[in-house]
Amino acid sequence: KAGVTQTPRYLIKTRGQQVTLSCSPISGHRSVSWYQQTPGQGLQFLFEYFSETQRNKGNFPGRFSGRQFSNSRSEMNVSTLELGDSALYLCASSRGTGEETQYFGPGTRLLVL
Amino acid sequence: AQSVSQHNHHVILSEAASLELGCNYSYGGTVNLFWYVQYPGQHLQLLLKYFSGDPLVKGIKGFEAEFIKSKFSFNLRKPSVQWSDTAEYFCAVPRDSGYALNFGKGTSLLVTP
Repeated sequence: KAGVTQTPRYLIKTRGQQVTLSCSPISGHRSVSWYQQTPGQGLQFLFEYFSETQRNKGNFPGRFSGRQFSNSRSEMNVSTLELGDSALYLCASSRGTGEETQYFGPGTRLLVL
Repeated sequence: AQSVSQHNHHVILSEAASLELGCNYSYGGTVNLFWYVQYPGQHLQLLLKYFSGDPLVKGIKGFEAEFIKSKFSFNLRKPSVQWSDTAEYFCAVPRDSGYALNFGKGTSLLVTP
């Protein structure tokens, strides 16, 4: 069974640009969550999608947005990039049926110059 | 909101030493708890989880954790560490709703030969 996949794996952008990251969950999983991982802040929750609806959102500015498609694939977008957005962005999926385990992808490492 | 705190941020051990990493959770109701591990350059992966039942939970690679409700703790243990256990370890608890997690700041473990 294929795991969670994320594309691209690495990305370099400059301040002010925007970026879109993609996540394909494990087949049959309906919940997709996004996290930002940095050395100083650890793993911080961005948002969660379930059946194409945003279910929860963390404490990030409106520049961070996301969506989920009917096949459960998800994208997150960051507009007007700032240096502080440099991080590893992790996607995780779970079945969405009860007591859950989240399965993580390899992440997209974003560097903002 | 449910949260976890990890006491040790950096731990250095020699091979064959015993390991105990602390994790305390904040919520007093029904608790689900997780330990995840992130090996260098690899995905975040589940080590073990507690949902209910036996408070002593066994996970992969010889790790175990004990849920102690009276102490609000879920410490990770391993009797004898190996060099390959060098990694970052995260304790986590489900967010108040949905399937996403709140993570502790993580503990970086270095095992020296």
